[in-house]
Amino acid sequence: EDQVTQSPEALRLQEGESSSLNCSYTVSGLRGLFWYRQDPGKGPEFLFTLYSAGEEKEKERLKATLTKKESFLHITAPKPEDSATYLCAVSPSGGYNKLIFGAGTRLAVHP
Amino acid sequence: DSGVTQTPKHLITATGQRVTLRCSPRSGDLSVYWYQQSLDQGLQFLIQYYNGEERAKGNILERFSAQQFPDLHSELNLSSLELGDSALYFCASAGQGKVGDYEQYFGPGTRLTVT
Repeated sequence: EDQVTQSPEALRLQEGESSSLNCSYTVSGLRGLFWYRQDPGKGPEFLFTLYSAGEEKEKERLKATLTKKESFLHITAPKPEDSATYLCAVSPSGGYNKLIFGAGTRLAVHP
Repeated sequence: DSGVTQTPKHLITATGQRVTLRCSPRSGDLSVYWYQQSLDQGLQFLIQYYNGEERAKGNILERFSAQQFPDLHSELNLSSLELGDSALYFCASAGQGKVGDYEQYFGPGTRLTVT
C-alpha cells in the first residue's frame, strides 16, 4: 500500500536555527514527490516537485532533496514567517496523478 | 494566489441536507482534483476529472458525487450529510500531463460544518 510518513509531527525552532524535516515514502512506482506549505485554514501552497533520486531544489531558505526512500526539507536560518505546516505528498506512477499526503510537520519559529 | 477559486468559503448546514461546492481551475488547466481535509484523516484524495471525464476515484463516499462542466469548472455534491462530513474541502488543478504539469495548485477551500 502506498504510504507517506512525515517526522517530526511538530518542530519548534528559534529564529536562525536550521533544521530538517523528513518524509519517508513507500510507493510501487514514483511519478513525483511534492512539498507544500499550508497555513491554518488556507489551501496548500506548492513549493517543490522532485522526480528522481539525487535531485535537489531550492527556494529562498528552503531546500528539498530526494533519495529512493525519503525526502528532506532543509530550512536554513528560519524566520517566524516560515511557521506553517509542511506537507509531503507522492504521486504513484500509473495513478492519474492523485496525491497521497503525509500528515505534515507543524513548524513554529520563534523570534 | 494560486489562480484556483472555490465557493463558498464557509458552509453551515444540518444533517441530512445536500450541498454543492464549486471550483474554477487555473486558466488552461484541464484536470481538477477534489480533496477532503479533516483533523483525524489529513488530506485525502476524493476524485479527479480531466476535461470533463472522471479519471480516478479515491476514498469518496457513495453519498458524494462530482462533475466537470464544458467550461472546466467543477462541482462536488455532498448529500445526506452527517456530522462526520464536517471538514475542509479543497479543489486543485493541474495542466495537461506534459512534463512539469504534474504540480497541483490548490484553491482556498470550502469549510463545511454539519450541525
